[in-house]
Amino acid sequence: NAGVTQTPKFQVLKTGQSMTLQCAQDMNHNSMYWYRQDPGMGLRLIYYSASEGTTDKGEVPNGYNVSRLNKREFSLRLESAAPSQTSVYFCASSEGKQPQHFGDGTRLSIL
Amino acid sequence: EDQVTQSPEALRLQEGESSSLNCSYTVSGLRGLFWYRQDPGKGPEFLFTLYSAGEEKEKERLKATLTKKESFLHITAPKPEDSATYLCAVPSNAGGTSYGKLTFGQGTILTVHP
Repeated sequence: NAGVTQTPKFQVLKTGQSMTLQCAQDMNHNSMYWYRQDPGMGLRLIYYSASEGTTDKGEVPNGYNVSRLNKREFSLRLESAAPSQTSVYFCASSEGKQPQHFGDGTRLSIL
Repeated sequence: EDQVTQSPEALRLQEGESSSLNCSYTVSGLRGLFWYRQDPGKGPEFLFTLYSAGEEKEKERLKATLTKKESFLHITAPKPEDSATYLCAVPSNAGGTSYGKLTFGQGTILTVHP
């Protein structure tokens, strides 16, 4: 029972580099989400996808892009990484009014 | 704009010492409130959903309650394995059949000493 799987688990980038964080869920959920978690800030929503084919901005979308590849997969892309994007990134999925299920995160450091 | 504030930021208890965590919220029409537990290096794990004032839910040593302005997570006779960060969140009023976005509080870091 994998639930929500995120890759990679850890990544170090240099300023200006690009990368894509991958997320896949096996629960047949329609909605998927990307959050970042910083000390003292809690979880903040970056982007979400209410259903396959749709994406919407969350609270902190600047510097990020997303792709809902299919019902299972939702990726987050950093086009030109900045030190302010150093954070732990969590992907989540949900169905209807059920609670969101989270992956174990990607720890990203940008030097 | 929805706001969620948790207190205290950190709580240190002795094993067996009961206490409560607070989650205060400001939303235009509460559609539910979620409690999550987060262990170091892991993603949040769902604990409870509360839908209306007066509702209570229990799981082992944890009991969550809800009023019109806040929610409490009561921990009775805690054990060291209850040590974690506890998060609360409220859904947006996006309408439709899903809850859409969640607004999270900053969390309470609970440490239970043996």
